[in-house]
Amino acid sequence: AQSVTQPDIHITVSEGASLELRCNYSYGATPYLFWYVQSPGQGLQLLLKYFSGDTLVQGIKGFEAEFKRSQSSFNLRKPSVHWSDAAEYFCAQYAGNNRKLIWGLGTSLAVNP
Amino acid sequence: DAGITQSPRYKITETGRQVTLMCHQTWSHSYMFWYRQDLGHGLRLIYYSAAADITDKGEVPDGYVVSRSKTENFPLTLESATRSQTSVYFCASSENRGAGTEAFFGQGTRLTVV
Repeated sequence: AQSVTQPDIHITVSEGASLELRCNYSYGATPYLFWYVQSPGQGLQLLLKYFSGDTLVQGIKGFEAEFKRSQSSFNLRKPSVHWSDAAEYFCAQYAGNNRKLIWGLGTSLAVNP
Repeated sequence: DAGITQSPRYKITETGRQVTLMCHQTWSHSYMFWYRQDLGHGLRLIYYSAAADITDKGEVPDGYVVSRSKTENFPLTLESATRSQTSVYFCASSENRGAGTEAFFGQGTRLTVV
C-alpha cells in the first residue's frame, strides 16, 4: 500500500537556525508530492508541490523542497526559521485517482526565541 | 467572501444525536473532501465527491453520511454521534485539473461528543 512517512513527530529549532523536515514516499516513478502547513487553529495551506521538472522547488514563506528519486524523499527546507513558522507540517502524495492524497502524520515544529 | 467555509467552527453534542457539519465553497471546484484529524492519526479521509451527486467512501466512512446536491455544498452528517467521533473535521476542495492540483482547506470544525 502507498504510504508517506514523516520520521520526525516533533522538532524544535532556534529562531534563525536552518530547518529540514523529512518526508519519504513509497510509490510512483513520478510521484506528485505536496507540503502543507497548518498553523494553530487553522486549516491547511499549500507550501509547495512537485510533479515534474526541476527537482528543487520553491514555495511560499521562504520554503523549498528537494525531490530525490534515489532516496524516495521530498524534504522541506528553510535557511532561517522565524518564530511565525511554528506550526504542523504535512507531506502528502497524490494517491493516483480522484484527486485523493495520501498524508504523512505530520511534524510539529516549535521555534525557540 | 470567496473561498471555502465550514460551519459551525465549534460544536458540542451528546452521544446519539444527529449532527451536520456544513461546507461551502465559492470556486465551483469539482472535487470536495471531508477529513478528520486526530492526534497520532494525521488526516484521514472520510468521504469525497468528484461532482454534484457523485460521492464515494474514503478510509473511515462508518457512522457518517454525505450528500452533494449542489456543486458548492458538501455537508457531512453524523447519524448518531459517538464519543469516538470527537475530532477536528476539515473540508477541502480541488479543481479537476490533473494530479498536481492542490486542495484548499476550510478552517475546520472542532466537534466534541459528550
